[in-house]
Amino acid sequence: DAGVIQSPRHEVTEMGQEVTLRCKPISGHNSLFWYRQTMMRGLELLIYFNNNVPIDDSGMPEDRFSAKMPNASFSTLKIQPSEPRDSAVYFCASMGREWRDTQYFGPGTRLTVL
Amino acid sequence: AQTVTQSQPEMSVQEAETVTLSCTYDTSESDYYLFWYKQPPSRQMILVIRQEAYKQQNATENRFSVNFQKAAKSFSLKISDSQLGDAAMYFCAYRVETSGSRLTFGEGTQLTVNP
Repeated sequence: DAGVIQSPRHEVTEMGQEVTLRCKPISGHNSLFWYRQTMMRGLELLIYFNNNVPIDDSGMPEDRFSAKMPNASFSTLKIQPSEPRDSAVYFCASMGREWRDTQYFGPGTRLTVL
Repeated sequence: AQTVTQSQPEMSVQEAETVTLSCTYDTSESDYYLFWYKQPPSRQMILVIRQEAYKQQNATENRFSVNFQKAAKSFSLKISDSQLGDAAMYFCAYRVETSGSRLTFGEGTQLTVNP
């Protein structure tokens, strides 16, 4: 299996620009998670989907952040407009059908907002 | 609030020696899962080992084993015969059914392996 795929791996943008991060989960997994990692806050869950439906978005920082999962094999996390404090590593993870299953992480996207 | 605490920001070990990383957690749930993830400089989050709370037997994966003390809410990771490739940030995490599928992570322990 290819594992969780994220793109881009690195993104550098200027404040105010729109940023879109992409994720392809492991085939057959029906839960998808977006995490953010920063020095100050560590690893925190932003949002997760089950069967393409957002279940918990309480970690989404503010209205500038939005996430979609139009089908079982693709998800996006969008930041519009981006700010320097959004600079972080963003991870996507996917999990199988049982809540006892393990989450597998993608390689992450390092976002830098200048 | 449910939390995970890793009290050792940094640890070091000599190659071929054994090291133990500490983790404590706080939950009132009885059914949950515990995990150790490894994050090398590549940033990839790699699952090292997992433990089901209902199992009394400690999990083992090759050179990695855990000491799970449910009453004390302690979940330490032991790395035997440490190798240079074990150098990484290690995160303890747990998941409870009542919180859905979210993982709650500790702050991490940076492990250095000295040749």
